[in-house]
Amino acid sequence: GEDVEQSLFLSVREGDSSVINCTYTDSSSTYLYWYKQEPGAGLQLLTYIFSNMDMKQDQRLTVLLNKKDKHLSLRIADTQTGDSAIYFCAEYRQAGTALIFGKGTTLSVSS
Amino acid sequence: ETGVTQSPTHLIKTRGQQVTLRCSSQSGHNTVSWYQQALGQGPQFIFQYYREEENGRGNFPPRFSGLQFPNYSSELNVNALELDDSALYLCASSVDSNTEAFFGQGTRLTVV
Repeated sequence: GEDVEQSLFLSVREGDSSVINCTYTDSSSTYLYWYKQEPGAGLQLLTYIFSNMDMKQDQRLTVLLNKKDKHLSLRIADTQTGDSAIYFCAEYRQAGTALIFGKGTTLSVSS
Repeated sequence: ETGVTQSPTHLIKTRGQQVTLRCSSQSGHNTVSWYQQALGQGPQFIFQYYREEENGRGNFPPRFSGLQFPNYSSELNVNALELDDSALYLCASSVDSNTEAFFGQGTRLTVV
């Protein structure tokens, strides 16, 4: 997972927007994903983007992809306390058929 | 439609023992992947099974092995357990090997 980099912590106030950033290394990755993990739980697929897209919006979530810089971001609008969790960025590598994960960003939302 | 289910949820084993973890894939999914998540880390790819054949493997030793059955459920077997094998083991299923993967709740394995 070390090839995918994420900042480790983000703290925001309820109602603000959160932006979680990720850089990946494999330019041939076809899909990039965002997963959410709550304490003691498995991974919940939040959204994904194809590598030929620049942006994808899904309700409160906006994903931006900059292929040139291999940079991916997840914006959560109107962040709620229920959004507090660990967020993982992952790239799908066709060679190896594996999802490669970052170490996760812990999002803390205060009221 | 049922999601991905894993059993057991928690397990404690002694160093040197063997363990089998189970995963039922989501209805309609033919691909199962296994991941190991150590505390404070992201998941690490162990291997993937597609239509009962191993379809990719991460950097894990041969004592990590698996099976996929005709109904696409899967098992992960770990022999000669080591303390460092203590982790959350996650199973993910997908329609094909390169589509979005849905994860189960995981099995928390503790090796003492």
